[in-house]
Amino acid sequence: KNEVEQSPQNLTAQEGEFITINCSYSVGISALHWLQQHPGGGIVSLFMLSSGKKKHGRLIATINIQEKHSSLHITASHPRDSAVYICAGDFGNEKLTFGTGTRLTIIP
Amino acid sequence: NAGVMQNPRHLVRRRGQEARLRCSPMKGHSHVYWYRQLPEEGLKFMVYLQKENIIDESGMPKERFSAEFPKEGPSILRIQQVVRGDSAAYFCASSPSLGQSSGNTIYFGEGSWLTVV
Repeated sequence: KNEVEQSPQNLTAQEGEFITINCSYSVGISALHWLQQHPGGGIVSLFMLSSGKKKHGRLIATINIQEKHSSLHITASHPRDSAVYICAGDFGNEKLTFGTGTRLTIIP
Repeated sequence: NAGVMQNPRHLVRRRGQEARLRCSPMKGHSHVYWYRQLPEEGLKFMVYLQKENIIDESGMPKERFSAEFPKEGPSILRIQQVVRGDSAAYFCASSPSLGQSSGNTIYFGEGSWLTVV
């Protein structure tokens, strides 16, 4: 069964802190997506990973194929980073399976 | 290059009415996906379409829901005889030829929020 699990469910941190959100998945994944959703807003694709590491500004995403695990890191967090972060697995069948999301709140 | 365009952004329908949600994929994209996000729940796959073809509708409720992606015009998600439980955010996404599982990035629209009263 294609499954994606995400943790933590909620995360509150002070501005400037280093943030880590974790995602684990079942076998057979062809790509792992990290998405961002602001309250009442649309979904923005942050990263698509099949191996290794990607960086965009203060955001870093890593994936370990052997461990079936991915992490999203935010360096020097800022209140505007407050959003729901969602990981989603592509199991090669053209439909994403989503984690339940991590609600991140950065306090000034 | 406009992104994935969805309309309406917000739609209110009374129970029993029909809801039509439209999605125009990014220019050059021939693969469209619809996802539903129920209140306080995660996103769930509904249907995957290519031009004039439904490829996978395994996530669609068996009744009242239908989707199309005609040769010309936007993709339409149609919900007949809406009920309160249909209240949700409906997201459309698109990807280029060969689809997302071939390594293409998927692009999401802003979503359509349906409220059934």
